[in-house]
Amino acid sequence: ILNVEQSPQSLHVQEGDSTNFTCSFPSSNFYALHWYRWETAKSPEALFVMTLNGDEKKKGRISATLNTKEGYSYLYIKGSQPEDSATYLCAFNQAGTALIFGKGTTLSVSS
Amino acid sequence: GAVVSQHPSWVICKSGTSVKIECRSLDFQATTMFWYRQFPKQSLMLMATSNEGSKATYEQGVEKDKFLINHASLTLSTLTVTSAHPEDSSFYICSARGTGWTDTQYFGPGTRLTVL
Repeated sequence: ILNVEQSPQSLHVQEGDSTNFTCSFPSSNFYALHWYRWETAKSPEALFVMTLNGDEKKKGRISATLNTKEGYSYLYIKGSQPEDSATYLCAFNQAGTALIFGKGTTLSVSS
Repeated sequence: GAVVSQHPSWVICKSGTSVKIECRSLDFQATTMFWYRQFPKQSLMLMATSNEGSKATYEQGVEKDKFLINHASLTLSTLTVTSAHPEDSSFYICSARGTGWTDTQYFGPGTRLTVL
């Protein structure tokens, strides 16, 4: 059974702190890794799709890296703001298969 | 960005009734739509994949006669929970995608189903 693990499950930081989360996935037959941000009562918002080993993506204060050989991806948030509070999901898929999601990391940022 | 709507956002029904959930891609054509279910503190679990004009492909353990999926157009897919029972109470969410497997999936906001 293919499994995606995310850690930590939740964390609480102060405004201005930088933070990072981990997503672990099976390294065999890798095709793509997706990151989403999911705010309460809203649709999950796509952040990044990464396909190549060594990929680095950036969107504002959020960035992500990918290591397909060892099966992990990091999501970084620089200078966290209260509006960054959300659950961050990662999902991976093999070629021709649907996304398999982790349980997410819930971030709470206090002002 | 691409927008996917989902209705209703929540529904409460009596045991034995059927409930229909609609998923629409508002500004793009969705070749493929996916239906997920999420139980508390669990990950999104894929229920089925549907391609426009074709029969849906259900994941192992998902009863196709209970969860009827129709994807009649490139912008609309429906999930009907037939003869709902309390154990069907869950959060159901759809997503839509273009043609490639690395294409982003765009999600609706989800539907909270409570069966009494």
